Amino acid sequence: QKEVEQNSGPLSVPEGAIASLNCTYSDRGSQSFFWYRQYSGKSPELIMFIYSNGDKEDGRFTAQLNKASQYVSLLIRDSQPSDSATYLCAVNFESQSGYALNFGKGTSLLVTP
Amino acid sequence: EAQVTQNPRYLITVTGKKLTVTCSQNMNHEYMSWYRQDPGLGLRQIYYSMNVEVTDKGDVPEGYKVSRKEKRNFPLILESPSPNQTSLYFCASSPVAGVGPDTQYFGPGTRLTVL
Repeated sequence: QKEVEQNSGPLSVPEGAIASLNCTYSDRGSQSFFWYRQYSGKSPELIMFIYSNGDKEDGRFTAQLNKASQYVSLLIRDSQPSDSATYLCAVNFESQSGYALNFGKGTSLLVTP
Repeated sequence: EAQVTQNPRYLITVTGKKLTVTCSQNMNHEYMSWYRQDPGLGLRQIYYSMNVEVTDKGDVPEGYKVSRKEKRNFPLILESPSPNQTSLYFCASSPVAGVGPDTQYFGPGTRLTVL
């Protein structure tokens, strides 16, 4: 079973602070890692993807990947109340007919004004 | 507009009455997938398809069928729905890069209730 683990939260941070979201995965062969944001009742929306070890920055978001530790994280700088949502970590793995995507259960983030 | 569409968006049905949830994408994506989302269980993959006529089981395929006769469509079929299939269903598609599911676009979701 290909596991993707996240703390369910809720993670509460004050407005303007850095929110740090973490994810671990079990399949050492995984190559691609994704962070999705999901507002309540809505569909997941891709915000970051990362393939290589190290950091990848996009605006206020930074994804960090450490394949040796099987760990991927998402940092949100200058957090805003509009960032309050559930953040889903997703990891690809090789299957019989190609590749599939496994999701963690998500971390709920609450940014308080 | 590039999008993934699902129909119906909401459905209430009764146990045993066959139903189909349609999914269509207009981005010429090769990869399509169905997920269900339940409180406390997260998103779980039901079936996926790497291309036309190529489908594979995900984590929770029991009670579901799919077909991929055309690139743009990937319907989800419940032959005999049961109450434990009450859930929020998402269809998704992505262009398949060399390493598999790349930027995955999700449909708006279908909320299914089986009585």
